[in-house]
Amino acid sequence: AQSVTQLDSHVSVSEGTPVLLRCNYSSSYSPSLFWYVQHPNKGLQLLLKYTSAATLVKGINGFEAEFKKSETSFHLTKPSAHMSDAAEYFCVVSAMDTGRRALTFGSGTRLQVQP
Amino acid sequence: GAGVSQSPSNKVTEKGKDVELRCDPISGHTALYWYRQSLGQGLEFLIYFQGNSAPDKSGLPSDRFSAERTGGSVSTLTIQRTQQEDSAVYLCASSPGTLYNEQFFGPGTRLTVL
Repeated sequence: AQSVTQLDSHVSVSEGTPVLLRCNYSSSYSPSLFWYVQHPNKGLQLLLKYTSAATLVKGINGFEAEFKKSETSFHLTKPSAHMSDAAEYFCVVSAMDTGRRALTFGSGTRLQVQP
Repeated sequence: GAGVSQSPSNKVTEKGKDVELRCDPISGHTALYWYRQSLGQGLEFLIYFQGNSAPDKSGLPSDRFSAERTGGSVSTLTIQRTQQEDSAVYLCASSPGTLYNEQFFGPGTRLTVL
């Protein structure tokens, strides 16, 4: 079985300060991991993905995430928050389970950016 | 090229009625997924189609929910005898195949059951 836990339902930062959105996963198999972003009234957009290549993954809009197998974590970071980063962020794990690519989304973290 | 499209964008129905939601995936994508996003919740996986294989229906919440995919392209999600708890945004996504799990999402259908 697989699961993903987003440790914070809400995160608030000031513009220009670093962002950290935490994600822990559980999987019986080698997982693929993703971060998606959902802006208000917009569709889900892929930020970045990890698929067993480099453990530090760079995505769009200055975001990056590091896969740490020993900690079963895939935290999302950005050095300096921008007002446009305010959105809902989802951590997703995909792993071969019973021969199919089962997909599990975290419950989401709402990022608020204060001016 | 065109992305994933869904129709209708909004649907309001009365409790007990049947509804059909449509998804047009990106051309050439063999995998298609349906999810449900309830207010304040994450995404709940419903069903997954991959090529001509039998669909993975393990996420369907009840037998009132069904989905089909015709010709390996367009998919329809049907909810029979709708209930108020079915109110949610229904999202469709497609991807190129099992080796590539990156999913491309449609804008969703907002279903409201009165």
